[in-house]
Amino acid sequence: RKEVEQDPGPFNVPEGATVAFNCTYSNSASQSFFWYRQDCRKEPKLLMSVYSSGNEDGRFTAQLNRASQYISLLIRDSKLSDSATYLCALVYGNKLVFGAGTILRVKS
Amino acid sequence: SQTIHQWPATLVQPVGSPLSLECTVEGTSNPNLYWYRQAAGRGLQLLFYSVGIGQISSEVPQNLSASRPQDRQFILSSKKLLLSDSGFYLCAWSPGQSYGYTFGSGTRLTVV
Repeated sequence: RKEVEQDPGPFNVPEGATVAFNCTYSNSASQSFFWYRQDCRKEPKLLMSVYSSGNEDGRFTAQLNRASQYISLLIRDSKLSDSATYLCALVYGNKLVFGAGTILRVKS
Repeated sequence: SQTIHQWPATLVQPVGSPLSLECTVEGTSNPNLYWYRQAAGRGLQLLFYSVGIGQISSEVPQNLSASRPQDRQFILSSKKLLLSDSGFYLCAWSPGQSYGYTFGSGTRLTVV
């Protein structure tokens, strides 16, 4: 079983839609969780950390469910500029391990 | 503020040639440093990480090596490149294990 699993997509959604991604992980000792955004042929950039209590940053909401070992990202009112690959990541020990990413395409 | 520099941006090398990619971080001390590789259309694979000068942990056995000669310098090397070494190489740093990582702009390596 992979350490971090994501649905590769692509998710094709119209502008203004709400879209959600899930990510499951296998190591219950994972300590910290993040969502990254990666544009084509660019480096990943940190989108937000994920906390057990859930956290929100504008149109983005992230949640962590330790019991079921998954994290989620919700994007409301999708914009064309949200089109990218979204990577979930988690830390255990001194390592940040990534999922393979979910492709989001927002269309007008 | 902290910045991470990675160069070169693009590299085309023949099979069997050596490789040296350099990454430096400014504005912080004793960062955790990481090398990742991303093959075309694939996820990020952790290659090496370092929590201090001279301390290197290898995640994937291969013909690559890493060194950390100075606190804020991380070097990825190979003595003889293989075709399978082609990919997008990314350096990243973190102040500690509970923090998100910041990536350099990457080196796109094509081995021909």
